[in-house]
Amino acid sequence: AQRVTQPEKLLSVFKGAPVELKCNYSYSGSPELFWYVQYSRQRLQLLLRHISRESIKGFTADLNKGETSFHLKKPFAQEEDSAMYYCALSGRGYNKLIFGAGTRLAVHP
Amino acid sequence: DGGITQSPKYLFRKEGQNVTLSCEQNLNHDAMYWYRQDPGQGLRLIYYSQIVNDFQKGDIAEGYSVSREKKESFPLTVTSAQKNPTAFYLCASNSGAAGTKNEKLFFGSGTQLSVL
Repeated sequence: AQRVTQPEKLLSVFKGAPVELKCNYSYSGSPELFWYVQYSRQRLQLLLRHISRESIKGFTADLNKGETSFHLKKPFAQEEDSAMYYCALSGRGYNKLIFGAGTRLAVHP
Repeated sequence: DGGITQSPKYLFRKEGQNVTLSCEQNLNHDAMYWYRQDPGQGLRLIYYSQIVNDFQKGDIAEGYSVSREKKESFPLTVTSAQKNPTAFYLCASNSGAAGTKNEKLFFGSGTQLSVL
């Protein structure tokens, strides 16, 4: 069965500290992984996807097939990074996303 | 604020009542989706449609119904059979065609449904 697990409901850090939001997945084939973000009073929006191997707003995420993980990282957190972050998975042939429960990131001054 | 429009923003349902949530998009997207968002559970897929006049059940379709008569519209009806309807409902769309890997989803601003 396809599943996305985000073990932390809340991650609280101080400004300038490194951040790692964890995401583990369960899928038998070759998945596509995504991170979506929802800032306060804004719509849910795509942050980054593993296939693009990009860095957005200083965030990166590497797909580790051996550990079935897709953790989101940023070396120095900023207060504006405070938001709800969702990891999502799409399998081959599927045209829909499976979302994790989400992690709320709170960055304190 | 174009793209995907959901209405109303807040909706209240009485016992035994069916209510319909509206979702309209002007992005010319083929695929549309309905998700339910509950605290601590993330987003769960209710129904999705990859093309006009066709739709499929998601993971939690019981108690819900949809229609896709027009490309730009994908209304969701919460029926009286849905015993726990209180949640935040999100509509989304993308241009992804059937059989392709998922493309970026565009989300609406959501509808909060509460039971009176």
